[in-house]
Amino acid sequence: DVKVTQSSRYLVKRTGEKVFLECVQDMDHENMFWYRQDPGLGLRLIYFSYDVKMKEKGDIPEGYSVSREKKERFSLILESASTNQTSMYLCASSLEDTRIAFFGQGTRLTVV
Amino acid sequence: QKEVEQNSGPLSVPEGAIASLNCTYSDRGSQSFFWYRQYSGKSPELIMSIYSNGDKEDGRFTAQLNKASQYVSLLIRDSQPSDSATYLCAVPRGRDDKIIFGKGTRLHILP
Repeated sequence: DVKVTQSSRYLVKRTGEKVFLECVQDMDHENMFWYRQDPGLGLRLIYFSYDVKMKEKGDIPEGYSVSREKKERFSLILESASTNQTSMYLCASSLEDTRIAFFGQGTRLTVV
Repeated sequence: QKEVEQNSGPLSVPEGAIASLNCTYSDRGSQSFFWYRQYSGKSPELIMSIYSNGDKEDGRFTAQLNKASQYVSLLIRDSQPSDSATYLCAVPRGRDDKIIFGKGTRLHILP
């Protein structure tokens, strides 16, 4: 079974803090993604990576950055957390040829 | 036009009936299409994939694809209360590796 693991299930941070969300997959997938999910807005792509040290902006990259130093790990960084970044964050990975996304369990981030 | 569009619902269907969920997409270069099910508070899980025009059946689920009309649908036969969830349509873009999701349709199966 493919396993995508996110480091935290729930997280509470203060405005202005630097926040790291970690994601690890164990199936040697080339592609990794970060989405956020908000009621009424669905899943929105923040960043994705198709290879180590490679990254591409998604639809809503502002206020976020990413790091992929190893193939299995993709980190999302909130440089200075703001209350409008309170959301459910979902990491996913996929094989380049099948394009099927496998999701982690999600991190519910609250910024106060 | 949004890249992937779905009716948000909620769609209420009596138990035992057929639930029909629809999705349209804008990228004519897309070659694969997926349906995910997401229970409240959980992450999405893949339930169906379809790559060519026509129907694909898997148990009580049937995916239908019409590339000319840029339309993909999911039929759930003999609907069960456990099918109550949000169903997400996902379409990898043809020109890059991004996977775009629709906003999802909430399905409620009435006992």
